[in-house]
Amino acid sequence: GAVVSQHPSWVICKSGTSVKIECRSLDFQATTMFWYRQFPKQSLMLMATSNEGSKATYEQGVEKDKFLINHASLTLSTLTVTSAHPEDSSFYICSAMGPGEKLFFGSGTQLSVL
Amino acid sequence: GENVEQHPSTLSVQEGDSAVIKCTYSDSASNYFPWYKQELGKRPQLIIDIRSNVGEKKDQRIAVTLNKTAKHFSLHITETQPEDSAVYFCAALNTGNQFYFGTGTSLTVIP
Repeated sequence: GAVVSQHPSWVICKSGTSVKIECRSLDFQATTMFWYRQFPKQSLMLMATSNEGSKATYEQGVEKDKFLINHASLTLSTLTVTSAHPEDSSFYICSAMGPGEKLFFGSGTQLSVL
Repeated sequence: GENVEQHPSTLSVQEGDSAVIKCTYSDSASNYFPWYKQELGKRPQLIIDIRSNVGEKKDQRIAVTLNKTAKHFSLHITETQPEDSAVYFCAALNTGNQFYFGTGTSLTVIP
């Protein structure tokens, strides 16, 4: 099956620093990738849709200057949390639309901002 | 955008009994409805899906039904086992190629 790799799986950073999360489709090309945020015991909240070669589409209420998304190739999308603060602490998970329009998920990144 | 509602939020069943989780969606143009199982700390895994041109699909103990007119779809798990315990999410794919997820159902199968 299609595999999506996400790194890092866990990161701790100081308040005010920036953190980059990578999402790669390993055995298929993904023109569209998605970034979600998930709070404990809650659902997946769509943050933005990442399109290869163009600007990402952000959901209402998500700050595009805060959460920078780059989808420079057909296999890689990155999410950079800029000037992170404790309220940005969360589980971030990416997904890619693979063969058959099916959605495949990365393993997620647990971000803790001190 | 799409709005997906999911019920119940928690569900406990005895091992061997059936479990049913229901979702409704708002965008009548949505055409693909997957179900995901997420175990604690792990990524969601696709367990079954259905497209809008089909009313029902079954894979061993798991089945999904779709009512396009009423805009709702359901997950049915028969002969539940303890390893079925997890959080289940429904989702809908809209015409903008965006997936929207339900709020999740925490299923506990009691041995």
